[in-house]
Amino acid sequence: GAGVSQSPRYKVTKRGQDVALRCDPISGHVSLYWYRQALGQGPEFLTYFNYEAQQDKSGLPNDRFSAERPEGSISTLTIQRTEQRDSAMYRCASSARAADTQYFGPGTRLTVL
Amino acid sequence: AQSVAQPEDQVNVAEGNPLTVKCTYSVSGNPYLFWYVQYPNRGLQFLLKYITGDNLVKGSYGFEAEFNKSQTSFHLKKPSALVSDSALYFCAVSPPSGGYQKVTFGTGTKLQVIP
Repeated sequence: GAGVSQSPRYKVTKRGQDVALRCDPISGHVSLYWYRQALGQGPEFLTYFNYEAQQDKSGLPNDRFSAERPEGSISTLTIQRTEQRDSAMYRCASSARAADTQYFGPGTRLTVL
Repeated sequence: AQSVAQPEDQVNVAEGNPLTVKCTYSVSGNPYLFWYVQYPNRGLQFLLKYITGDNLVKGSYGFEAEFNKSQTSFHLKKPSALVSDSALYFCAVSPPSGGYQKVTFGTGTKLQVIP
């Protein structure tokens, strides 16, 4: 079946612009996770949802970052007033149930000029 | 707070030889432990996980990992390496706090299998 999909795959933006990154989880998966991965590092937890409820947002770096999953399926990670330090690979994962194995999408490569 | 250490940035092994990629962790309670693999320009792929039970866990592509509670280690192993195993490997841990959902990854180990 279809895996986790993310769009866009690549995003180049100018400093100060807002960006929205989309994640489409595996159909029927209850839980959805966002990570950020810098070059040469492992993924870093940002936030996660069970259904539409955001359970933990402790990994969001600051209040420019927000995420939503209003209908318990597709999720959007929004970064306002982007800065160069926001440049990274943003990865989404989903799991069938809470605490099940997480399956990752291909990621969105964000470059802030 | 939980943490994962992968002490080797790179591991080189000859094709056909056994391989080991090391991982140690620090966490409160009894965690879930994972290995993921990342091929160039690809997403992370799940290899295997330990939840409870037998300390030797078998996963995809002939990989296995051994959980050692006393040494807080979860080393990845394969009896005979293939050139196609060359990739970046990540160890990860999720603690019982937060319902095992908040996963912490190591920094990764690049495995190079030499023909």
